[in-house]
Amino acid sequence: DQQVKQNSPSLSVQEGRISILNCDYTNSMFDYFLWYKKYPAEGPTFLISISSIKDKNEDGRFTVFLNKSAKHLSLHIVPSQPGDSAVYFCAARAPKQFGAGTQVVVTP
Amino acid sequence: EAQVTQNPRYLITVTGKKLTVTCSQNMNHEYMSWYRQDPGLGLRQIYYSMNVEVTDKGDVPEGYKVSRKEKRNFPLILESPSPNQTSLYFCASKAGVHGYTFGSGTRLTVV
Repeated sequence: DQQVKQNSPSLSVQEGRISILNCDYTNSMFDYFLWYKKYPAEGPTFLISISSIKDKNEDGRFTVFLNKSAKHLSLHIVPSQPGDSAVYFCAARAPKQFGAGTQVVVTP
Repeated sequence: EAQVTQNPRYLITVTGKKLTVTCSQNMNHEYMSWYRQDPGLGLRQIYYSMNVEVTDKGDVPEGYKVSRKEKRNFPLILESPSPNQTSLYFCASKAGVHGYTFGSGTRLTVV
């Protein structure tokens, strides 16, 4: 039973526009969330995280928003660049739950 | 360079032939874990280890074994591989709040 869900398997966006990736979770005990980015033939790498005591965390072009009442978080990439084309996983820290991933394709 | 190293990167084997995928980390992390990635299912945890000689089952442990005799190494053992274990495997280690450091993956095909 997946407790972290990414319902959009893919997302296509034009270079320079905003990419919005969504993630829902079911366990209200989750207190820390992370986003990982994965290129083909490589392992996932940590991108950005957020604690449940915050509702927003920003790092350069990447912002994660957390809505605890809705058990929903989102990752915004602004502006999107071709190098952002990758699979993005949402995860909840311990327990070790990952979403299924969203493939982002940024087109020129 | 801080890293998690998995070997081999690619492996094709036959049903029932025992195999081991090695994993080594140079960051002195206590926590290590194995995941498999399958389409539509994301990353699912197979086994994890909190420290030397301490291992526990993850979400999908059936058909796998692990050992943690020393802190840096955490091999994944398939005693009798079956085709449903064809997958992409990742080893990871963890310290602190920034989550995992992953290896580059091992693509296993069982025919």
